[in-house]
Amino acid sequence: GENVEQHPSTLSVQEGDSAVIKCTYSDSASNYFPWYKQELGKRPQLIIDIRSNVGEKKDQRIAVTLNKTAKHFSLHITETQPEDSAVYFCAASIEAGGSYIPTFGRGTSLIVHP
Amino acid sequence: DTAVSQTPKYLVTQMGNDKSIKCEQNLGHDTMYWYKQDSKKFLKIMFSYNNKELIINETVPNRFSPKSPDKAHLNLHINSLELGDSAVYFCASSEPGPSQETQYFGPGTRLLVL
Repeated sequence: GENVEQHPSTLSVQEGDSAVIKCTYSDSASNYFPWYKQELGKRPQLIIDIRSNVGEKKDQRIAVTLNKTAKHFSLHITETQPEDSAVYFCAASIEAGGSYIPTFGRGTSLIVHP
Repeated sequence: DTAVSQTPKYLVTQMGNDKSIKCEQNLGHDTMYWYKQDSKKFLKIMFSYNNKELIINETVPNRFSPKSPDKAHLNLHINSLELGDSAVYFCASSEPGPSQETQYFGPGTRLLVL
C-alpha cells in the first residue's frame, strides 16, 4: 500500500518568515495530492491541492510543488501570519472503485510567533 | 446548514459497550468516508463507501462496521469497545465529477472509552 512520509513534525517560525513542509510517497499510482489544515479542535480543511499532471500550483501565499519522478511534493507558505498556526497534513490519493483513497502524512505542527 | 454533520460530538462509554456514531451530508455527494485520528493526530482512513462499493482498510478490526441507510448517511457502529478505540472519528464526503478527490470533513466525534 501507499506510504506517505511528512517532515518536519514541528516547525516554528517568526511572523513574516516562509515555511516549507515536505512529503514523499511510495506508490507511483497516486495521482492527487491535497494539503489539509487542521486548527486546534477543528476539522481538517483543504487549503490547496495538485494533480499529477501539474508541477506547481499557487494560491496567494501558499504554493505546492510536485516532483513525480522523485515522488515528493512540498507546501510553501510565504509571509506567515499567526493565524497560519495549525497542523498541516499532506496526502497522496489513489483512485479505487470510483473513490479516491487518501493516505495521510503524520502532520506538521506549524507555530507562527508574532 | 452544516454540510457534513456528525452526532454525537462527544461520546464517553465503558469498555465492552456497543455504540454508534451518525453522519449526514447534505451536499449530494456520492462517496462517504470514516477516519480515525488518534492522540498523536495521525489521520487514518477506515472506510470508503459509495453506492457501488465499500472499501475497507484491512487494518480496521471487524468490530467496526459502516452502515448506510441512504446516500446521505453513513453511520459507524462499533462493537465491544476497547480502550484503544479512544480517538476522534471524522466522517467525510466527496463529490462526483472532476473534483471528486476533495474531502469535506464533519466536525468530528470525540470518543473516550473508560
